[in-house]
Amino acid sequence: KNQVEQSPQSLIILEGKNCTLQCNYTVSPFSNLRWYKQDTGRGPVSLTIMTFSENTKSNGRYTATLDADTKQSSLHITASQLSDSASYICVVSAQGGSEKLVFGKGTKLTVNP
Amino acid sequence: NAGVTQTPKFRVLKTGQSMTLLCAQDMNHEYMYWYRQDPGMGLRLIHYSVGEGTTAKGEVPDGYNVSRLKKQNFLLGLESAAPSQTSVYFCASSLGSPYNEQFFGPGTRLTVL
Repeated sequence: KNQVEQSPQSLIILEGKNCTLQCNYTVSPFSNLRWYKQDTGRGPVSLTIMTFSENTKSNGRYTATLDADTKQSSLHITASQLSDSASYICVVSAQGGSEKLVFGKGTKLTVNP
Repeated sequence: NAGVTQTPKFRVLKTGQSMTLLCAQDMNHEYMYWYRQDPGMGLRLIHYSVGEGTTAKGEVPDGYNVSRLKKQNFLLGLESAAPSQTSVYFCASSLGSPYNEQFFGPGTRLTVL
């Protein structure tokens, strides 16, 4: 069964600190992996996309990594800001069509001053 | 551009009532989607459309119907609302392939009493 597991479920850090969020997946055949940021009361917004051949991709203070062999991805946030407080959702696409997106439950990040 | 908009933002229904949620996008996207998001669960696909006049079932289609009469609009209908349909509903759209970034609306919070 295609699944996406994210850890931790929630995380609290102090402003300025770094953190890493994890995503493990069993989706097959793999097409790509996206990280979305969802602010409270808003829809998700794409941060980055990783394809099979990519290991690392950065978007400002966000850096995503992908290990296709172990089926793991991470999202590293550097020098966190209060505005980083949000849920971060890992979404993995399987080849085959629109119904083949598998969403993780998300990691809720709280950045405190 | 307004992006993806949803109407209404909030709604309270009684069991057995019907309603329609409207999604509109001004990005000329071919693909549109309806998701529901429940606490502790990832986004789940209800129905989707790959173009004007087409619709298809997603992961949790029971109790919902959809229509895509115009390219820019995607309607989600509840014919006889049930408390189990209490959720936050998100509409999304994407250009061409479903592997492209999905742009989400702000969500509709629906409560069924």
